[in-house]
Amino acid sequence: AQSVTQLGSHVSVSEGALVLLRCNYSSSVPPYLFWYVQYPNQGLQLLLKYTSAATLVKGINGFEAEFKKSETSFHLTKPSAHMSDAAEYFCAVSAAGGGNKLTFGTGTQLKVEL
Amino acid sequence: KAGVTQTPRYLIKTRGQQVTLSCSPISGHRSVSWYQQTPGQGLQFLFEYFSETQRNKGNFPGRFSGRQFSNSRSEMNVSTLELGDSALYLCASSLSAGANVLTFGAGSRLTVL
Repeated sequence: AQSVTQLGSHVSVSEGALVLLRCNYSSSVPPYLFWYVQYPNQGLQLLLKYTSAATLVKGINGFEAEFKKSETSFHLTKPSAHMSDAAEYFCAVSAAGGGNKLTFGTGTQLKVEL
Repeated sequence: KAGVTQTPRYLIKTRGQQVTLSCSPISGHRSVSWYQQTPGQGLQFLFEYFSETQRNKGNFPGRFSGRQFSNSRSEMNVSTLELGDSALYLCASSLSAGANVLTFGAGSRLTVL
């Protein structure tokens, strides 16, 4: 069974600083990995998706994530935080052929301070 | 292009009642998935429908059920509501089963008193 662990339920950064949100996965087979963002009172929006085509995945809003098999990690980064990035971020995993059944991490609330 | 539409957005029920939530997927999307989001359990997969057939089911009791219509619209039903069913119920649509790129609706927030 697949699972993901997000380290740090709350992360605070200054505007303009690097954003690093951590995600480690557990899967017996090469997984599909995702990062989603959720703004208050809204659904989830896909930031990026890894499907084994390339280990460095670029997403929307300047975010990117690197798949590291040796570390079973898929950390999300953004070089320079903006106030509008404040939201909750979820890492998710699904097995190839597993349909649209995603297993989500517990989420990381990102706070961006002036 | 309209997004995923969920109705109602907010509702309040009492224990023992039942509730039906509706989801209209993006035009052309044939797969609909449902997720429950609570502060304690996080985001949990409920079920997925494709071409009116349930393809996957999460680990929820039989009180939770769903269906999909020929126009891909989906409904989920929860019977004999319990306090713990209070949650944000999110619907997501995808072009096909296994496409993995899900577009989520804004959710239906259910409060059980």
